[in-house]
Amino acid sequence: DVKVTQSSRYLVKRTGEKVFLECVQDMDHENMFWYRQDPGLGLRLIYFSYDVKMKEKGDIPEGYSVSREKKERFSLILESASTNQTSMYLCASSFARLGGAETQYFGPGTRLLVL
Amino acid sequence: AQSVTQPDIHITVSEGASLELRCNYSYGATPYLFWYVQSPGQGLQLLLKYFSGDTLVQGIKGFEAEFKRSQSSFNLRKPSVHWSDAAEYFCAVGARNNNDMRFGAGTRLTVKP
Repeated sequence: DVKVTQSSRYLVKRTGEKVFLECVQDMDHENMFWYRQDPGLGLRLIYFSYDVKMKEKGDIPEGYSVSREKKERFSLILESASTNQTSMYLCASSFARLGGAETQYFGPGTRLLVL
Repeated sequence: AQSVTQPDIHITVSEGASLELRCNYSYGATPYLFWYVQSPGQGLQLLLKYFSGDTLVQGIKGFEAEFKRSQSSFNLRKPSVHWSDAAEYFCAVGARNNNDMRFGAGTRLTVKP
């Protein structure tokens, strides 16, 4: 079974702090994704990576950065946390398939509260 | 880019009743289509997917979905709902030429005893 783990289930941070969310997958997937989930808005893509050290902006990258130094690990960084970044953050991974999107496998999520 | 609409924010059904969750998509070609389920406090789990072939797709937990090109729909169905089906359900559409996947806003299912 594919396993995607996220470093924390719950986090409480203060405005202005630098926040690191980590995600690890054990299936040798090429692609990894970070989403945020907010009520009524579904999942919105923040960043994705299709290879080590490669990244692409998603729909809402502002205020976030990412790092992928190893294939199995994809980190999301909030450079200076703000209250509007309070949300559920979901990591996902998938194989890279020529010809289109492939099934994504999700971690359990990190619920972040910024005070 | 593709997009997904789930018209129903919240649905309540009685245990044992049938269920249909609606999903409409917008995409310039035949898309890849997915249904995921999210139990409270959990990540998303794949229920089923459509890539090509038979337009009626069977998934896990007794769910099925039907791709209807003429209606741009991919509705999820279950003949008899169980209390454990209470969760949030997301429809997603994937592109055929890149990794892009778009999710609907979700439908929350409540099951009455």
